[in-house]
Amino acid sequence: EIVLTQSPATLSLSPGERATLSCRASQSVSIYLAWYQQKPGQAPRLLIYDASNGATGIPARFSGSGSGTDFTLTISSLEPEDFAVYYCQQRSTWPRTFGQGTKVEIK
Amino acid sequence: EVQLLESGGALVQPGGSLRLSCAASGFIFSNYAMSWVRQAPGKGLEWVSAISGIGTTTYYAESVKGLFTISRDNSKNTLYLQMNSLRAEDTAVYYCAKDLKTTTVYYFDYWGQGTLVTVSS
Repeated sequence: EIVLTQSPATLSLSPGERATLSCRASQSVSIYLAWYQQKPGQAPRLLIYDASNGATGIPARFSGSGSGTDFTLTISSLEPEDFAVYYCQQRSTWPRTFGQGTKVEIK
Repeated sequence: EVQLLESGGALVQPGGSLRLSCAASGFIFSNYAMSWVRQAPGKGLEWVSAISGIGTTTYYAESVKGLFTISRDNSKNTLYLQMNSLRAEDTAVYYCAKDLKTTTVYYFDYWGQGTLVTVSS
């Protein structure tokens, strides 16, 4: 099973700041990694797939990069609605796995 | 508009069984693989099971293999999860989720609102 390790666990930032979230895989997943956003009481929302492709309707301030074992989700300038928990997920092998999440909180 | 509506969550005793349903609308259901993903209270996401669009191929997390069975009825646009021998650690909100592409990539672009399963005596 591929283990995805996200860091940091919590990121405390102010609106307008840049957020950089990391996801590291225990073995290569090529580019087969997605990012999701989840707000309290809501289902997750797909942001990025195949490491760098934006899902439909996702604002341009969200971008993804990386390949192999190291991936990054960047939010260029945080909006108030971006404070949430973010998960990465790999589809390279079975079972599909998620990272443990990074909480982006208001500083 | 794509909609996924789960039902069937309940309080059940350890060792009991439950069947979850997910009614889908707004897309050609049989063209898309579907999955179940769960989230224990206050915890992260855990992929549980997946099924291909025509229902011939299924996948399970090790934690539920042999205990849970995923199925679908494409004539009813409905996804199911039969859960047997339930344990306390199966307590979670269970989401059904639609595959992003018809080519089956197992990324999830639409999710239901979730149904709560509580396993407790």
